[in-house]
Amino acid sequence: DAGITQSPRHKVTETGTPVTLRCHQTENHRYMYWYRQDPGHGLRLIHYSYGVKDTDKGEVSDGYSVSRSKTEDFLLTLESATSSQTSVYFCAIGTGDSPLHFGNGTRLTVT
Amino acid sequence: DQQVKQNSPSLSVQEGRISILNCDYTNSMFDYFLWYKKYPAEGPTFLISISSIKDKNEDGRFTVFLNKSAKHLSLHIVPSQPGDSAVYFCAASGNTGNQFYFGTGTSLTVIP
Repeated sequence: DAGITQSPRHKVTETGTPVTLRCHQTENHRYMYWYRQDPGHGLRLIHYSYGVKDTDKGEVSDGYSVSRSKTEDFLLTLESATSSQTSVYFCAIGTGDSPLHFGNGTRLTVT
Repeated sequence: DQQVKQNSPSLSVQEGRISILNCDYTNSMFDYFLWYKKYPAEGPTFLISISSIKDKNEDGRFTVFLNKSAKHLSLHIVPSQPGDSAVYFCAASGNTGNQFYFGTGTSLTVIP
């Protein structure tokens, strides 16, 4: 898994509650990404980071925020979860000129 | 708007035959293309890539073809094996801040 750990692996939460997903890497890669996978939509980029405290929005960033205070950790926060955010979330890492490597995902259910 | 498209949600192939998965893109700035394979409950795994300066790249049973004028790429798997049964995603990247755009995936089933 190229040294990528996502936690938790599964989470069920209620609408309106805050949720934070964590991605931890041991590869010292500069770039980190959060994607969501949904049927019929494939993988869509939520946010990405190109260095500590340097982040940018992806295609589907509304309702999500991220933080990267250390090279190895990239956090994805849903400030107030909605049912439309029920999805599988994947973290990925990269060097900027090579393929992305993905974690095993977090399955989030918002009831 | 989807910049990378995989128009076939599923494909079934007999073991030993060729599997051909297709992908189209709309952004002419893309210059790096990749294929990923995904098994259930796992993250996508990198399979093969090609840069825009090439039109073919081969790695064992896997070959990726790129037709820049048609904005089309394909993945050929020869011979197909049951273990190749998975969802395949194509992806593209370019001068866009290191963002990678993915297609919707094609579920390949290789029948023994």
